[in-house]
Amino acid sequence: DTGVSQDPRHKITKRGQNVTFRCDPISEHNRLYWYRQTLGQGPEFLTYFQNEAQLEKSRLLSDRFSAERPKGSFSTLEIQRTEQGDSAMYLCASSLVPGVRETQYFGPGTRLLVL
Amino acid sequence: KNEVEQSPQNLTAQEGEFITINCSYSVGISALHWLQQHPGGGIVSLFMLSSGKKKHGRLIATINIQEKHSSLHITASHPRDSAVYICADPSAGATNKLIFGTGTLLAVQP
Repeated sequence: DTGVSQDPRHKITKRGQNVTFRCDPISEHNRLYWYRQTLGQGPEFLTYFQNEAQLEKSRLLSDRFSAERPKGSFSTLEIQRTEQGDSAMYLCASSLVPGVRETQYFGPGTRLLVL
Repeated sequence: KNEVEQSPQNLTAQEGEFITINCSYSVGISALHWLQQHPGGGIVSLFMLSSGKKKHGRLIATINIQEKHSSLHITASHPRDSAVYICADPSAGATNKLIFGTGTLLAVQP
């Protein structure tokens, strides 16, 4: 088990382009979370999946954002028509529920810069 | 509304000093998390605690449920402890999404 992985680690794109990030959770984990962290701030919740079902989306997730977890394993987060305000670190975390205490395990993040 | 506040925002210490970072939260349903984030972004979970005290090496976390307050202590600090330390409180409801504080940037100088 190598933990939660994210790809790519860094992405530079021009405004208006589409980008897609991937998250591979710990293999037996059924929950997967996406968070976004802007410079100098703590992460903020975007959305989460229980298996393949997307159960909650934050109001931060505009209609330009879409997330999928088609087979209940890896997840993708796509941003269409990127804006400079989308520049941030996108973090993925996974967990196993039910558990005695849910612990979320974080990936290394994907740092996005929109020029 | 679930809010998490940390203090101080920035902390500079000399190697060997005892360090304390404080966290106040408003909901406190299940367990409070302490996380460490090094430059480059990766987040590591340090502690999850719902009562009392936990210790791991030179790190100690305490929590007071009645006052909704937690502290992270680092004994005999070392430059490799330099990082951002973040507390996070699981939100109410089934989501268990984490509500994060803004973090404390710690710099330990040799």
